Amino acid sequence: GAVVSQHPSWVICKSGTSVKIECRSLDFQATTMFWYRQFPKQSLMLMATSNEGSKATYEQGVEKDKFLINHASLTLSTLTVTSAHPEDSSFYICSARDFRGSSYNSPLHFGNGTRLTVT
Amino acid sequence: GNSVTQMEGPVTLSEEAFLTINCTYTATGYPSLFWYVQYPGEGLQLLLKATKADDKGSNKGFEATYRKETTSFHLEKGSVQVSDSAVYFCALSGDSGNTPLVFGKGTRLSVIA
Repeated sequence: GAVVSQHPSWVICKSGTSVKIECRSLDFQATTMFWYRQFPKQSLMLMATSNEGSKATYEQGVEKDKFLINHASLTLSTLTVTSAHPEDSSFYICSARDFRGSSYNSPLHFGNGTRLTVT
Repeated sequence: GNSVTQMEGPVTLSEEAFLTINCTYTATGYPSLFWYVQYPGEGLQLLLKATKADDKGSNKGFEATYRKETTSFHLEKGSVQVSDSAVYFCALSGDSGNTPLVFGKGTRLSVIA
């Protein structure tokens, strides 16, 4: 089945530094990927939609200059948390939909998430 | 807009008990409905799905039926196991385009032996 790989699975960084998170679709092409953020014991909040070859679409309240998204190819999207602060500590999860042989109602496949801790 | 409401947890059950996690939705058109499961420290895994009214999704003993008349997609399992302890998310997808999922808040299930 479709697999989405996310790296790293966890990262600890100092306040003020930047962190890059990679999301890859391993056996299918994804023109669109979705980035979610999950706070402890809470649901997933959609941050942005990553589009291959064009700018990402950010949800209201998400700072696009802080959370830089680059969809470099049909199998790779990256999220860079710039000038990270402790309040950016969270669980970040990417997802993509495999359309092979199916349609829009294919389920989203999720990466295993990246736990970011900013000290 | 689209939204999902699911019962808040945590839910604690003894092994072999019957499980129901309620989920209702608000959506325009004909959404697809999903249940995802998240084990501790991991991402989300698709548990089951239903794409049209009266469809029943099932997997690993879990079932949910897409009820358009009650806008519901309740998750059930006849006999839970300790290994089912996780957080369960109900979600919906719009009926056109490559759209993100809208999630409920999640329900934490703990099954004790």
